[in-house]
Amino acid sequence: GQNIDQPTEMTATEGAIVQINCTYQTSGFNGLFWYQQHAGEAPTFLSYNVLDGLEEKGRFSSFLSRSKGYSYLLLKELQMKDSASYLCAGRPMNRDDKIIFGKGTRLHILP
Amino acid sequence: KAGVTQTPRYLIKTRGQQVTLSCSPISGHRSVSWYQQTPGQGLQFLFEYFSETQRNKGNFPGRFSGRQFSNSRSEMNVSTLELGDSALYLCASSPDTYGYTFGSGTRLTVV
Repeated sequence: GQNIDQPTEMTATEGAIVQINCTYQTSGFNGLFWYQQHAGEAPTFLSYNVLDGLEEKGRFSSFLSRSKGYSYLLLKELQMKDSASYLCAGRPMNRDDKIIFGKGTRLHILP
Repeated sequence: KAGVTQTPRYLIKTRGQQVTLSCSPISGHRSVSWYQQTPGQGLQFLFEYFSETQRNKGNFPGRFSGRQFSNSRSEMNVSTLELGDSALYLCASSPDTYGYTFGSGTRLTVV
């Protein structure tokens, strides 16, 4: 099946850097999304990687290695407002198939 | 442009009743997907509609159904509600399967 695995929870300190990992079966997807979801709110789009490598967008960067079935989201200069769940999602090879979401990583930021 | 609109935002129903949730996608988006989100379970895919046709379906019982109208608006219906149906129901629209924009969700409580 097409499973996406990510840690359930992580804790980091304000001002620090944190990396949230996401792994999947290499044959499953040809693109990875990252979404941010604050408690009680809808997920919001952060990034989409379809090629290998690092994509930087302000304090957030996302990395993809298709051969290893591995992606990560890197958050720099953490702020208290970054406390949220981060969802990794895979876009299937078949464009008509549904996007598959991981269960999300709940990130706690400590002052 | 307007985002994805879900109505109602909150709903309380009694076991055994039925409920209909509505989703208006972003103008021009033909794909509407529905997800159920409960604590610890992540986003569970319900179904996807594309140009009024159900394109994908998740592993939910037949009590969960949906449809899409010619203007791309979508509804989902849950009949014979159970306590376990209490969840946040999210609708996401997309021009294809490139990426989703989520609505704010409908929080359903079954008592």
